[in-house]
Amino acid sequence: AQTVTQSQPEMSVQEAETVTLSCTYDTSESNYYLFWYKQPPSRQMILVIRQEAYKQQNATENRFSVNFQKAAKSFSLKISDSQLGDTAMYFCAFMKHRRGNEKLTFGTGTRLTIIP
Amino acid sequence: DTEVTQTPKHLVMGMTNKKSLKCEQHMGHRAMYWYKQKAKKPPELMFVYSYEKLSINESVPSRFSPECPNSSLLNLHLHALQPEDSALYLCASSQGWAGNTIYFGEGSWLTVV
Repeated sequence: AQTVTQSQPEMSVQEAETVTLSCTYDTSESNYYLFWYKQPPSRQMILVIRQEAYKQQNATENRFSVNFQKAAKSFSLKISDSQLGDTAMYFCAFMKHRRGNEKLTFGTGTRLTIIP
Repeated sequence: DTEVTQTPKHLVMGMTNKKSLKCEQHMGHRAMYWYKQKAKKPPELMFVYSYEKLSINESVPSRFSPECPNSSLLNLHLHALQPEDSALYLCASSQGWAGNTIYFGEGSWLTVV
């Protein structure tokens, strides 16, 4: 079974600063996908960024980027120039590359607060 | 703006009531999901429908009954629920292939009294 661990239950950072959220996972699969979702107070889960395990290049999406270390099974999220709207719960998630098993395994989340 | 629409946004029901949660997507996705999320916890998968057939049931009690009338619609029928079933119920969809991004709706808040 897959497990996803987020070791930082809460973090806070000043607006415009950079913050890194940690995520590690455990799997015996060789091919898989990793995601970061944010869940603001509105409660909708919003995709932040997605990484395919077979790609060595780290995914980026505007101010969001990841540091994917496959051997270490680590998938951290970096938020640059943080904004007040980034305040949310952030979940790291894992999905196997297997047809018929499109199941997300989530970590326990990191609550991020951006301070004005 | 979400392209997965859930109704109602809030529902309060008694333990003897029968109610339904509804979900609709118009992205042409062929897989749809129900997740349950308790406060301060990550979402937990309940059901997956792939091409309108139930493909995953995560040992959910029978008081929750999913239905997929067509590829755009997903219902969750509720009957004889318990107070501990109070939670946020999230519907989601994806193209249905391994690795596809799963898109979530805004959720339906359910309170069982």
